[in-house]
Amino acid sequence: GIQVEQSPPDLILQEGANSTLRCNFSDSVNNLQWFHQNPWGQLINLFYIPSGTKQNGRLSATTVATERYSLLYISSSQTTDSGVYFCAVDSYGGATNKLIFGTGTLLAVQP
Amino acid sequence: DAMVIQNPRYQVTQFGKPVTLSCSQTLNHNVMYWYQQKSSQAPKLLFHYYDKDFNNEADTPDNFQSRRPNTSFCFLDIRSPGLGDAAMYLCATSSGQGIAEAFFGQGTRLTVV
Repeated sequence: GIQVEQSPPDLILQEGANSTLRCNFSDSVNNLQWFHQNPWGQLINLFYIPSGTKQNGRLSATTVATERYSLLYISSSQTTDSGVYFCAVDSYGGATNKLIFGTGTLLAVQP
Repeated sequence: DAMVIQNPRYQVTQFGKPVTLSCSQTLNHNVMYWYQQKSSQAPKLLFHYYDKDFNNEADTPDNFQSRRPNTSFCFLDIRSPGLGDAAMYLCATSSGQGIAEAFFGQGTRLTVV
């Protein structure tokens, strides 16, 4: 099955800093999403981005499908950005509608 | 308004005592997923339904079963919970076609005593 790796696994930032999180996947995808998992465990949708670039406030994301990676940019980080960031993909190969999660990036933003 | 609702938010069950977790959706989505997430790990897909078609992951233990009586509801049954089944259980839905963005419920945190 498809492999989804995220980097870095852990990241510590000072408030106000910028960061880039990466998601690499091993096969073509027809769906890619970025999520933020809050301290209570709920997965919050950030972007649905199988290709191209999107922006939402301080966050933006880019997926280069032909090169099998996606990037999540966080600018001017705030303490409320802390938590785990996951990418998840649905692969063209094999069965569809199987949303597989990456390994996650644990972000800590310090005041 | 919540679109994917899981009940209960917290569930404590005894070792070996069957337990059912529930998920409902107001999105009329075709696909419903169940994930298990243990501490400091990524969510792991247990199974999913496309309409009434059930798709089990190869490594999902037989102890885990699911039912989808209609479009709106899906249940996760754990027949004989063990201590290793303590986890957060996440339900999600997607249309399964076109822009198939998935939406998650708040999760049910299961404790086995």
